Amino acid sequence: AQKITQTQPGMFVQEKEAVTLDCTYDTSDPSYGLFWYKQPSSGEMIFLIYQGSYDQQNATEGRYSLNFQKARKSANLVISASQLGDSAMYFCAMREEMYSGGGADGLTFGKGTHLIIQP
Amino acid sequence: EAQVTQNPRYLITVTGKKLTVTCSQNMNHEYMSWYRQDPGLGLRQIYYSMNVEVTDKGDVPEGYKVSRKEKRNFPLILESPSPNQTSLYFCASSLRYSGNTIYFGEGSWLTVV
Repeated sequence: AQKITQTQPGMFVQEKEAVTLDCTYDTSDPSYGLFWYKQPSSGEMIFLIYQGSYDQQNATEGRYSLNFQKARKSANLVISASQLGDSAMYFCAMREEMYSGGGADGLTFGKGTHLIIQP
Repeated sequence: EAQVTQNPRYLITVTGKKLTVTCSQNMNHEYMSWYRQDPGLGLRQIYYSMNVEVTDKGDVPEGYKVSRKEKRNFPLILESPSPNQTSLYFCASSLRYSGNTIYFGEGSWLTVV
């Protein structure tokens, strides 16, 4: 079974609109972290936001916020007031065993969502 | 400046010619790993290392080798590259515990013809 599922292969959004990128995850580990990365056409991985499984509040970083619904195992990324420069691939990822056992495991990535912002 | 440095950034090589992609970090991180990215598949882990002389296979290790002789370096070795190893490769590093800050290299575009 996939550990990270991103159900939107591509999205077109009008500039200045809010965008929600979906991500659901699957783990039995109580200690995990959820990450969102942006990858522009140049290829580098840009970290956007992080949410720990024990964090009580949803993470926010500027125009990015993470809608964390633990019971639903959902970690959607919300981008407010989208800009043309937001056009890129977006990846959701999870890291298990953050503070336990042998230490943090590697990242498991979803297949990504290609977001295109239209003027 | 905290960084992960990969080399080469771009390489076109021929089938069977051994190559090494180097990765170096300057943050004294215990954990280092290699990923490959292919269209429609996202990033998949190739190998990882918890510390010096400790390495283990990730999800797609076939055709690759690694070593961790020093804490800062984690080279990826393709002994006999094949066209199906054409991909974008990323090296990453972090602390072993509380690894919520993960540093990625800029990526290495590898083409095997």
